[in-house]
Amino acid sequence: EVVLTQSPATLSLSPGERATLSCRASQSVSNYLAWYQQKPGQAPRLLIYDASNRATGIPARFSGSGSGTDFTLTISSLEPEDSAVYYCQQFRNWPLTFGGGTKVEIK
Amino acid sequence: EVQLVESGGGLVQPGRSLRLSCTASGFGFGDYAVSWVRQAPGKGLEWVSLIRNKAYRGTTEHAASVKGRFTLSRDDSKGLAYLQMNSLKIEDTAVYYCTRALYSSGGNGYYSDYWGQGTLVTVSS
Repeated sequence: EVVLTQSPATLSLSPGERATLSCRASQSVSNYLAWYQQKPGQAPRLLIYDASNRATGIPARFSGSGSGTDFTLTISSLEPEDSAVYYCQQFRNWPLTFGGGTKVEIK
Repeated sequence: EVQLVESGGGLVQPGRSLRLSCTASGFGFGDYAVSWVRQAPGKGLEWVSLIRNKAYRGTTEHAASVKGRFTLSRDDSKGLAYLQMNSLKIEDTAVYYCTRALYSSGGNGYYSDYWGQGTLVTVSS
């Protein structure tokens, strides 16, 4: 099973700042990685697939990068509505696995 | 508009069964796989099971934690997918999400581009 480790657990930043979230895989998943955003009381929403492709309707301030075992989700300029938990998910191998999440707090 | 609506959750005793339904609309349901993801209270996301579309003969995959206890089925004519959960355990307590799953060519698996709002399953005596 591919284990995904996300860091940091919590990120506290001010509006307009840049957020950098990390997802590390226990073995290579090539570029078969997705990122999701989940706000309290809501279902997750797809942000990024294939490591760097933005999903439909996702603002350009969200970007993904990386391949192999190291991946990054960057929010270039935080908005108040970006307060959420962010999860990565690999789909290179079965079982599909998720990281433990990074909580982004807006000061 | 793509919509997925789960139903069938509730309180159930350990060892009993429950069947969740997922009603899909707004897209060609038969062309897509359906993946179920759960989230225990206050915890992260856990993939549970997936059923492929007809082109892949509706074959299924399951997480080790539910294999042998959970089964999947689908009725493409009605836009419905089902998760049959047997021999439920306390640790199966979670919100269960139905998702539309996209296959990534070149990869082995799927990611989820649309999610339902989830249905809560509570396993308790």
